[in-house]
Amino acid sequence: SQQGEEDPQALSIQEGENATMNCSYKTSINNLQWYRQNSGRGLVHLILIRSNEREKHSGRLRVTLDTSKKSSSLLITASRAADTASYFCATDAENTGFQKLVFGTGTRLLVSP
Amino acid sequence: DTAVSQTPKYLVTQMGNDKSIKCEQNLGHDTMYWYKQDSKKFLKIMFSYNNKELIINETVPNRFSPKSPDKAHLNLHINSLELGDSAVYFCASSQGPQGGYTFGSGTRLTVV
Repeated sequence: SQQGEEDPQALSIQEGENATMNCSYKTSINNLQWYRQNSGRGLVHLILIRSNEREKHSGRLRVTLDTSKKSSSLLITASRAADTASYFCATDAENTGFQKLVFGTGTRLLVSP
Repeated sequence: DTAVSQTPKYLVTQMGNDKSIKCEQNLGHDTMYWYKQDSKKFLKIMFSYNNKELIINETVPNRFSPKSPDKAHLNLHINSLELGDSAVYFCASSQGPQGGYTFGSGTRLTVV
C-alpha cells in the first residue's frame, strides 16, 4: 500500500512566497527523503532526514520530521519560477534489512512570475 | 558523464511484443532499482538488485524480468507487452543504506 500521502496535491503561489508541503506516512522509518521532478524528467534528490533528526536545512529548503505524528514538511522559501515541479516524499521503512524507498503521491507546485 | 543513463528514452510498441530497457550507472553504487510511474505520477518500486543479486521483487508479473550482468547495469526485459504496461519506467541507484537515490531520466513506454 502507499506509504506516503502528500498534502496539498497541488499548490499555486507567486514568486517570492514560501511554499509548504506536507507528507504523512504509516510505519516506522529509518529516514525520509524529498525529491523534485520537473515535467518529463527524472527525480532529483533534495534532502534526507534521519529518524533521529527533527529539522534539516539545505539552501532555501527546510525539512522537519515528527516521528510521533509520522509526518514531515518541506518548506521552500523565497520561491522562484524555476521551483515549479512535482515534489515527492519517500520513506525508507525500518527493519526491512535493505533500503527500499516508498514514494508519496506528490505535490504539484506552480510558481508564477 | 551522465550518472544514471537509460535507453531508450521513448518506446512505442504493439501489444504482444517483447522489449528491453537498459540502465547503466557510473557512480560505483552497489544497489540499483526499477520504478514504474503511472499516468497519475504514482511511483511504485518493481525490483532492486544489490551487487547483481535480486533483493526486492514487488509482486510484478513474471512477464517482467530484470537482469544485472554486473553491478553497474540493470536491464529490464518485458515479454508479451500489454496496454496496462504503458508508463514511465525509471532506473535508479544508491550507495548503501540511508542514502539518496540517483534517478535516470526515464523511459516512456507506450503500448498500442
